[in-house]
Amino acid sequence: NAGVTQTPKFQVLKTGQSMTLQCAQDMNHNSMYWYRQDPGMGLRLIYYSASEGTTDKGEVPNGYNVSRLNKREFSLRLESAAPSQTSVYFCASSPTGQGVGGRYGYTFGSGTRLTVV
Amino acid sequence: QKEVEQNSGPLSVPEGAIASLNCTYSDRGSQSFFWYRQYSGKSPELIMSIYSNGDKEDGRFTAQLNKASQYVSLLIRDSQPSDSATYLCAVNRVNNDMRFGAGTRLTVKP
Repeated sequence: NAGVTQTPKFQVLKTGQSMTLQCAQDMNHNSMYWYRQDPGMGLRLIYYSASEGTTDKGEVPNGYNVSRLNKREFSLRLESAAPSQTSVYFCASSPTGQGVGGRYGYTFGSGTRLTVV
Repeated sequence: QKEVEQNSGPLSVPEGAIASLNCTYSDRGSQSFFWYRQYSGKSPELIMSIYSNGDKEDGRFTAQLNKASQYVSLLIRDSQPSDSATYLCAVNRVNNDMRFGAGTRLTVKP
């Protein structure tokens, strides 16, 4: 089925460990996003990629890095995990991107539930 | 002041009733407005979008926008237990920066 695929679905890390969250979309969308969702906080943008070859910081980028590998794939890396990064992470994509036109909603992946102990 | 504010609920309505969900936003230049439905443990799913003042209807859902009051709402007619979920309001600001509210939890009781 067409959509956004995220891996892994669950992960437990120890403080200081690193990991990469993978995201791929097969809808030929230009823009991709990484969000985190915490209780009472809503979805907060970590990084986005308006088009292949570009990435920009969002609202809460500290402690994260991203790579837009190609048009389909957008990964999120935690270099040294901290308990404050315990959250649910969502990847999303849209046909257009920030600065290009915002009339399209986002398609979200199924999420990664990350716990840092 | 949060950029997108929603009543966290829970909002409880009986089956068959109209559920009314509200959202206010702070950036007067915001251009596009969206409603997402999120079931517990699942990802958000886009259900409505609206760009102009007034009403937009899609099946049992009606989105309402009033830019002068910086207010957007979602009405769900003939509510069903399957509508029980958290509803997220999202606003695309003047610089095409999408911001989400924390969501309103809706429970539809049989």
